[in-house]
Amino acid sequence: GIQVEQSPPDLILQEGANSTLRCNFSDSVNNLQWFHQNPWGQLINLFYIPSGTKQNGRLSATTVATERYSLLYISSSQTTDSGVYFCAVSEQAGTALIFGKGTTLSVSS
Amino acid sequence: DTAVSQTPKYLVTQMGNDKSIKCEQNLGHDTMYWYKQDSKKFLKIMFSYNNKELIINETVPNRFSPKSPDKAHLNLHINSLELGDSAVYFCASSHLAGKGSPLHFGNGTRLTVT
Repeated sequence: GIQVEQSPPDLILQEGANSTLRCNFSDSVNNLQWFHQNPWGQLINLFYIPSGTKQNGRLSATTVATERYSLLYISSSQTTDSGVYFCAVSEQAGTALIFGKGTTLSVSS
Repeated sequence: DTAVSQTPKYLVTQMGNDKSIKCEQNLGHDTMYWYKQDSKKFLKIMFSYNNKELIINETVPNRFSPKSPDKAHLNLHINSLELGDSAVYFCASSHLAGKGSPLHFGNGTRLTVT
């Protein structure tokens, strides 16, 4: 099955810093999504982005499907950005999302 | 207005017991899922139902049985609970057709088996 690798596994930032999280996948995908799991365990959908670029406030994401990677950018990080960021993909219609192991982000004030 | 709601939030039980987790979504999605998150935060798909029909059944012990009475509900029943079943179980929903749609998760059920 498809493999999803996220990097870095851990990231520690000072408030106000910018960061880039990467997701590589081993095969063509028809669906790619980014999620944030906050310290209370809630999983929030950030982006549905099988290709192209999207922005939502301080967050933006880019997926280059032909090169099999996606990037999540966090600008001017805040302590509330702390948590685990997951990338998830599916290879074809009708299949469930397969999750990467996540990037754990800690933002300190 | 909770989009995907699951109950209970916490479940503490002894080995050998049978327990159920309920899930409901009010987003009008046609597909619902159960994911398991282990102690290392790894999320793995267990089951998926599309319009009340089972479409994904990963390698999960037979002790786990999903049931979907209608496309807005998906319950998970677990028989003869074991220590290794301790985890957080997440219900989720989306549209499946074409390239799918954003996946929405419930808040999770933390199951502890003692």
